[in-house]
Amino acid sequence: QQPVQSPQAVILREGEDAVINCSSSKALYSVHWYRQKHGEAPVFLMILLKGGEQKGHEKISASFNEKKQQSSLYLTASQLSYSGTYFCGTELPGGGADGLTFGKGTHLIIQP
Amino acid sequence: NAGVTQTPKFRILKIGQSMTLQCTQDMNHNYMYWYRQDPGMGLKLIYYSVGAGITDKGEVPNGYNVSRSTTEDFPLRLELAAPSQTSVYFCASSLYGANSYEQYFGPGTRLTVT
Repeated sequence: QQPVQSPQAVILREGEDAVINCSSSKALYSVHWYRQKHGEAPVFLMILLKGGEQKGHEKISASFNEKKQQSSLYLTASQLSYSGTYFCGTELPGGGADGLTFGKGTHLIIQP
Repeated sequence: NAGVTQTPKFRILKIGQSMTLQCTQDMNHNYMYWYRQDPGMGLKLIYYSVGAGITDKGEVPNGYNVSRSTTEDFPLRLELAAPSQTSVYFCASSLYGANSYEQYFGPGTRLTVT
């Protein structure tokens, strides 16, 4: 079942923070986050595994709440280069081989 | 390494025509995937493969076929193209299954069926 992302879109000024949420109605094994710029392929950001720690690099981090089956992506002090569409992809327990189920995406626009 | 390459980049088909979308990866990845992306939607899995000679259906396989004769190549075949197959098609690969390994995506093929 497709995970639900919120918000659908967000517009920020450069330097502001953003949080993007991804929720599933089913128990998850992992959550992947990807960013896609217009006309380009999705690019991997990070994976969060069940029982794993919050991950992050530079000013982008994410968490995975197993009880709520929800993941959140945090973008701190956003830069113009952060603009794009962010997708979460979820994997059910035991489903390692058969790809990910992606949400519809969150459009992030960073303005100067 | 070139990563994941796809050809063609763009294609216009007439209803009822057939074509093959090519996908090649040079990272020696075991797992390969085909997704389609419709405007405003996420990616939907069409077919996947866990290794040469092994393929399986994803969420939206109808109207498509795949084969995996080598580790590197994973072509997607469209038979009797329909307007509903107008989409952007992405091929992806990963070293192993999705649970611990990132997927690398190709640049995509934009297909229009008229």
